[in-house]
Amino acid sequence: SQQGEEDPQALSIQEGENATMNCSYKTSINNLQWYRQNSGRGLVHLILIRSNEREKHSGRLRVTLDTSKKSSSLLITASRAADTASYFCATGGGSNYKLTFGKGTLLTVNP
Amino acid sequence: DGGITQSPKYLFRKEGQNVTLSCEQNLNHDAMYWYRQDPGQGLRLIYYSQIVNDFQKGDIAEGYSVSREKKESFPLTVTSAQKNPTAFYLCASSGGKVTLSSYNEQFFGPGTRLTVL
Repeated sequence: SQQGEEDPQALSIQEGENATMNCSYKTSINNLQWYRQNSGRGLVHLILIRSNEREKHSGRLRVTLDTSKKSSSLLITASRAADTASYFCATGGGSNYKLTFGKGTLLTVNP
Repeated sequence: DGGITQSPKYLFRKEGQNVTLSCEQNLNHDAMYWYRQDPGQGLRLIYYSQIVNDFQKGDIAEGYSVSREKKESFPLTVTSAQKNPTAFYLCASSGGKVTLSSYNEQFFGPGTRLTVL
């Protein structure tokens, strides 16, 4: 079963604009992660936020987590054409290693 | 150069054949995973292994089999019982048990695209 659901499914913006993607989930978690996938490639880990954190930054990425609403957002500032990719949220919970991935948001950044 | 590798990159299978996808990691990770990705879809977990000689079914294990005889290797066999095997297969690994100070960030291989002819 897929717990995370990203919104929107697709997003097209111009270079320099900010991109915001949202993720909602259903059950309690101990961390939420965001991954990026370029077309036809493997996923790359971007950022992890723990359930007791509300906001985290890494370079041009900003992630927020609202456990009361069971939602997270990923903001990419000053987007570049190279940011074009699919972005997935993944939730982890309990003491096992498993992550549950959403269906992703396809971001297209037009030069 | 540490990482996770998958081979082959492209694989073609005739109906009724079993095929094995290779996944190797030199990250000294305890856990390994196999996912299936269909076009425009997210990742669905096929099997995972938390330790050598042990593995568990994921959400879509039917028609697949795995082994974990070595820490570095987690091959996936797509059997003839898998009715719709054409997909992109991704292998991943992660460092170990979730504790207060470590989490289960996963590292992915480049994927194998399997096509049934």
